[in-house]
Amino acid sequence: GNSVTQMEGPVTLSEEAFLTINCTYTATGYPSLFWYVQYPGEGLQLLLKATKADDKGSNKGFEATYRKETTSFHLEKGSVQVSDSAVYFCALRGDRGSTLGRLYFGRGTQLTVWP
Amino acid sequence: NAGVTQTPKFQVLKTGQSMTLQCAQDMNHEYMSWYRQDPGMGLRLIHYSVGAGITDQGEVPNGYNVSRSTTEDFPLRLLSAAPSQTSVYFCASMQQGAIGTEAFFGQGTRLTVV
Repeated sequence: GNSVTQMEGPVTLSEEAFLTINCTYTATGYPSLFWYVQYPGEGLQLLLKATKADDKGSNKGFEATYRKETTSFHLEKGSVQVSDSAVYFCALRGDRGSTLGRLYFGRGTQLTVWP
Repeated sequence: NAGVTQTPKFQVLKTGQSMTLQCAQDMNHEYMSWYRQDPGMGLRLIHYSVGAGITDQGEVPNGYNVSRSTTEDFPLRLLSAAPSQTSVYFCASMQQGAIGTEAFFGQGTRLTVV
């Protein structure tokens, strides 16, 4: 079945540091991959997505590349800011049947950035 | 355009009480779902629906009921609340059949069962 494994947190960084949050997945077919962000007290917002192999999603300085050969979708940012402090979720949407109607989430990674 | 609207935002229940969490979307999305978020567990699927009149169970359906009588609404019913149901609940909607389109989430309902 489909599943997502995400790097355990919490992650604590200084401002302007480089960020990587690892995400790997298991799925049949050709899933779509997402990163969502949750700021304190809020719901989930889409950060970026990729729908096929070798696609790179990007937004607000964050990037992730859909790697089918390694079944990975790692999130990166070259220089984090205090305002990036949040919980980040990797998610997958299947490409067939009932897997189209839902997302499969990783456990989330809490990121704290200190000034 | 309101997107996905959840009510209430906060709720305290006593053990054994019942209640309904409301979810409405105005994007004409066929797919709707309910997740619960617990520390260290990510989001776990409770129930989902692929259209009016069609619902199915997710990973943690026990103690919850759903129905989908209209495209817009997908209420979640707690039949007899238990402390283990203390959690943050999120409703989401997605467009049907469009591979790669994302889910849109409500702001969440924080439920405490005492």
